[in-house]
Amino acid sequence: GAVVSQHPSRVICKSGTSVKIECRSLDFQATTMFWYRQFPKKSLMLMATSNEGSKATYEQGVEKDKFLINHASLTLSTLTVTSAHPEDSSFYICSARDTTGGWGTEAFFGQGTRLTVV
Amino acid sequence: SQELEQSPQSLIVQEGKNLTINCTSSKTLYGLYWYKQKYGEGLIFLMMLQKGGEEKSHEKITAKLDEKKQQSSLHITASQPSHAGIYLCGADLTGTASKLTFGTGTRLQVTL
Repeated sequence: GAVVSQHPSRVICKSGTSVKIECRSLDFQATTMFWYRQFPKKSLMLMATSNEGSKATYEQGVEKDKFLINHASLTLSTLTVTSAHPEDSSFYICSARDTTGGWGTEAFFGQGTRLTVV
Repeated sequence: SQELEQSPQSLIVQEGKNLTINCTSSKTLYGLYWYKQKYGEGLIFLMMLQKGGEEKSHEKITAKLDEKKQQSSLHITASQPSHAGIYLCGADLTGTASKLTFGTGTRLQVTL
């Protein structure tokens, strides 16, 4: 099946610094990528939807200036957590699918990135 | 309130026993996905259902979408330790094929 690669799998950063997380679709063109955040023992919370070549659509309550999303190509989307603080520590997962065919295609998920801000 | 409710929240079953996880919504489930997650890892796709009344099986796992398309169930037959993990249902609740909303998750433990 299709593979979505997310990097890094774990990152520890100092408070105030920025962290970039990459999400790549390895064998298909991902017209749409989704970024989720997962708190311990909680479900996935959609943060934003990014479409290749256009601005991301953020969910209510998600700070777009803090969580910068770039989807510059059909195989790569990046999430940058700017000026990270300890409360940003979480598990971030990306998802990618080819939406041109509507539903009927799987949404593939990356392995996730555990961010710890100290 | 949660748009997609899963029940039970957690489940402990003995190896070899059957179990069912439910995913319920007050809205129409236009596309319903079942995923399995090991804690701290990514999601593994299990099955996708679209049509009311649809049922799919893979190995010992069967998923159904009810006729009204507001509830789905995931049934595991003769559970094994390898089935342990977190099961998540995700659905398109808008009909726009744009994003998935996820359920609260069900944590499954299988004891020997």
